[in-house]
Amino acid sequence: QITLKESGPTLVKPTQTLTLTCTFSGFSLSTDAVGVGWIRQPPGKALDWLAHIYWNDNNYYNSFLRTRLTITKDTSKNQVVLTMTDMHPEDTGTYYCSHLNPSMSYSFQHWGQGTLVTVSS
Amino acid sequence: DIQMTQSPSSLSASVGARVTMSCRASHNIGSYLSWFQKQPGKAPKLLIYGASNLQSGVPSRFSGSGYGTDFTLTISTVQPEDFATYYCQQSAGALMYSFGQGTKLEI
Repeated sequence: QITLKESGPTLVKPTQTLTLTCTFSGFSLSTDAVGVGWIRQPPGKALDWLAHIYWNDNNYYNSFLRTRLTITKDTSKNQVVLTMTDMHPEDTGTYYCSHLNPSMSYSFQHWGQGTLVTVSS
Repeated sequence: DIQMTQSPSSLSASVGARVTMSCRASHNIGSYLSWFQKQPGKAPKLLIYGASNLQSGVPSRFSGSGYGTDFTLTISTVQPEDFATYYCQQSAGALMYSFGQGTKLEI
């Protein structure tokens, strides 16, 4: 059974850096073609893909946020970490991590429950 | 970047109705298209992957079709639990991903 869980601060101040951790089980990021991604949803707005990383360390970023994002993995801990610098109030939202399944057209098959991040002074 | 455009932005239907919603990609994405159901306070749920493949456990009243740039999600007989927002998402080349802006299905 695949599970994922996001963890990190619930409140950050403007200009601070956000660090979120996705801890997963039921699969390994050392398995060929597997990946983990991050997606967010601001209140009342659409889902927004942020970044994802593959078993081979290849990573991809939303072009509008590329300069602010870094995604890394720790295979031994079954964790993926996303950092976002220079946080703004409009970055407020629920942040999800998700398992990328290569055998399902690289779709986001399994999702964490999400973590709400509020950016406010 | 590949832009995804969904239509309509909202849709009203009655229980038992047949519902269709559309998703258009700005570039050819082949069949690298997924559909998700999003309910308030819950994580997105994968319904369809590869444009037309039903995710395990998803009711057969959901179906997807399309290839290239134009895609459709159909609910054959809407049930009360289906009222939610639906998002399409492209994964062409497993590189840069993007979501549509969503279609809200309302009673």
